[in-house]
Amino acid sequence: GAGVSQSPSNKVTEKGKDVELRCDPISGHTALYWYRQSLGQGLEFLIYFQGNSAPDKSGLPSDRFSAERTGGSVSTLTIQRTQQEDSAVYLCASSLGRWQETQYFGPGTRLLVL
Amino acid sequence: DQQVKQNSPSLSVQEGRISILNCDYTNSMFDYFLWYKKYPAEGPTFLISISSIKDKNEDGRFTVFLNKSAKHLSLHIVPSQPGDSAVYFCAASGSGGSNYKLTFGKGTLLTVNP
Repeated sequence: GAGVSQSPSNKVTEKGKDVELRCDPISGHTALYWYRQSLGQGLEFLIYFQGNSAPDKSGLPSDRFSAERTGGSVSTLTIQRTQQEDSAVYLCASSLGRWQETQYFGPGTRLLVL
Repeated sequence: DQQVKQNSPSLSVQEGRISILNCDYTNSMFDYFLWYKKYPAEGPTFLISISSIKDKNEDGRFTVFLNKSAKHLSLHIVPSQPGDSAVYFCAASGSGGSNYKLTFGKGTLLTVNP
């Protein structure tokens, strides 16, 4: 079946602009995650959605970052007033549920802020 | 502070030999550990996991060993194949309300030479 898809695959933007990154999880997966991988670093947790519960936003690095998940499926990560330090690969993952379920990752969006 | 550490940025082995990738953690609340493999321009792919109630889990050529007292785990690949060349990430999650959060190491680049 189809895996997690993300768009765009690459995004180049100018400092100060807003960007939107999209994630389509695996059908039937109720949990959705966003991670960020900066150069030379491991994956860093950003935000978690589970069903209709309030999302866990504890990993968002600043209030310029926000995310929403519409209809329990597609998610959009928005970065406002982008900064050069936002340059990274943004990865989305989904899983069947909550209790230590395997997370399946998309290919990521490579963001470059000039 | 880095809670999951992969101290070897890279490892090179000959085809047919054993590959051993190491991972250390500092958070004693972690009770579930995973290994992910990542090829360039792709998202991480789940490889194998182990719960803290076990000290070994095996799946084909891949075996993960967990030493809780040393807060250390390792991934053994036997025999190594050129297709195993990738970046390997160690990840951990804890018990309790935030068990969905994965904390990743920085990864080890494995190169298997024909």
